Amino acid sequence: AQSVSQHNHHVILSEAASLELGCNYSYGGTVNLFWYVQYPGQHLQLLLKYFSGDPLVKGIKGFEAEFIKSKFSFNLRKPSVQWSDTAEYFCAVNAQDTGRRALTFGSGTRLQVQP
Amino acid sequence: GAGVSQSPSNKVTEKGKDVELRCDPISGHTALYWYRQSLGQGLEFLIYFQGNSAPDKSGLPSDRFSAERTGGSVSTLTIQRTQQEDSAVYLCASSPPGTGSYNEQFFGPGTRLTVL
Repeated sequence: AQSVSQHNHHVILSEAASLELGCNYSYGGTVNLFWYVQYPGQHLQLLLKYFSGDPLVKGIKGFEAEFIKSKFSFNLRKPSVQWSDTAEYFCAVNAQDTGRRALTFGSGTRLQVQP
Repeated sequence: GAGVSQSPSNKVTEKGKDVELRCDPISGHTALYWYRQSLGQGLEFLIYFQGNSAPDKSGLPSDRFSAERTGGSVSTLTIQRTQQEDSAVYLCASSPPGTGSYNEQFFGPGTRLTVL
């Protein structure tokens, strides 16, 4: 069964700092990869996704993620964070070649951006 | 348009009681998922519906947990004889029909269950 590791549980940054959140998964087959975000008091919403093609994917609000297959990684990046990026971020994987639809989530990273 | 809705938003119950949690998916979405999130942990998959059928119920933790979906729409997750370890936020998601192996999952606000 696949698993997802998010190495940073709590990250504190100042506005305008650069962000990189780590995500590693354990599955040797074909995967779909996702980053979801949960802003305070709001639902989980999709930030970006990778299915195939260009391994550098761009999402909403200036976020991007790079799929590195050899490292089983899908790290999330943003060059300059804003206070409004304060949220919890979840990496998720779907094992595409199993035909299963379930997502396996990491435990999340809480990002706190200080003004 | 309306998103995924769940009710109740909060439920406090006593150990040993049964509870029912409801999910209304986005209209037209054929796939429906239940997850739960325990304190400090990521989301854990419970069950997946395609229409009214549940081809994947591998995440249900015990036979105290069951779910059904009627009319290809509303779903109910039932937990019998609740235990304190069932305390968690139960999230529902839905996704639209389409080709390919996967479609984006749209999440509801969740039901926070507390078992005393």
